[in-house]
Amino acid sequence: AQSVTQPDIHITVSEGASLELRCNYSYGATPYLFWYVQSPGQGLQLLLKYFSGDTLVQGIKGFEAEFKRSQSSFNLRKPSVHWSDAAEYFCAVGFSNDYKLSFGAGTTVTVRA
Amino acid sequence: NAGVTQTPKFQVLKTGQSMTLQCAQDMNHEYMSWYRQDPGMGLRLIHYSVGAGITDQGEVPNGYNVSRSTTEDFPLRLLSAAPSQTSVYFCASSPPGDGYTFGSGTRLTVV
Repeated sequence: AQSVTQPDIHITVSEGASLELRCNYSYGATPYLFWYVQSPGQGLQLLLKYFSGDTLVQGIKGFEAEFKRSQSSFNLRKPSVHWSDAAEYFCAVGFSNDYKLSFGAGTTVTVRA
Repeated sequence: NAGVTQTPKFQVLKTGQSMTLQCAQDMNHEYMSWYRQDPGMGLRLIHYSVGAGITDQGEVPNGYNVSRSTTEDFPLRLLSAAPSQTSVYFCASSPPGDGYTFGSGTRLTVV
């Protein structure tokens, strides 16, 4: 079945430490890939997106993501997290011939001092 | 500022009441959609539209109606509110094949 999986429901990380959030997809073709962030009480904000080309994508707020076709993954990373990075993060996939995006269940990130 | 505007931000309804959640975008996006977000359930698609006059159901459409008379507006109507419709509702829009721009959400409580 086609799906988007975020294996980690909740991650706790210390301020200043690195962060990696996992996203795997199961589709026949290579989809468009997105990461969104949702701060408490807010809407979802687009962090970055991958359509084609360079497999390492830079986004806003110091985030980057790497597309690995062989692993069907699109993991999000940040070298040094700030307390303001505490939020929920969603991976999403789409296709060029379809408006609809499919979202993962989300990963909640807690940042401890 | 360009974007997706949702109103109201908060609403409390009594069971059986009806209401309309408003969504407007000023980016001339063809695609608009409504999601609900519930703890542990992620984002679930209620209804979507690929252009004025065209709407379709998502995965959880029961109890909700939509219409798209203009490119800009995509209201969501709750016909007879039920406690199970207590949720946070998000409207989103996008051009073809691109990411969504989300509104800031409407937090609805049905008592």
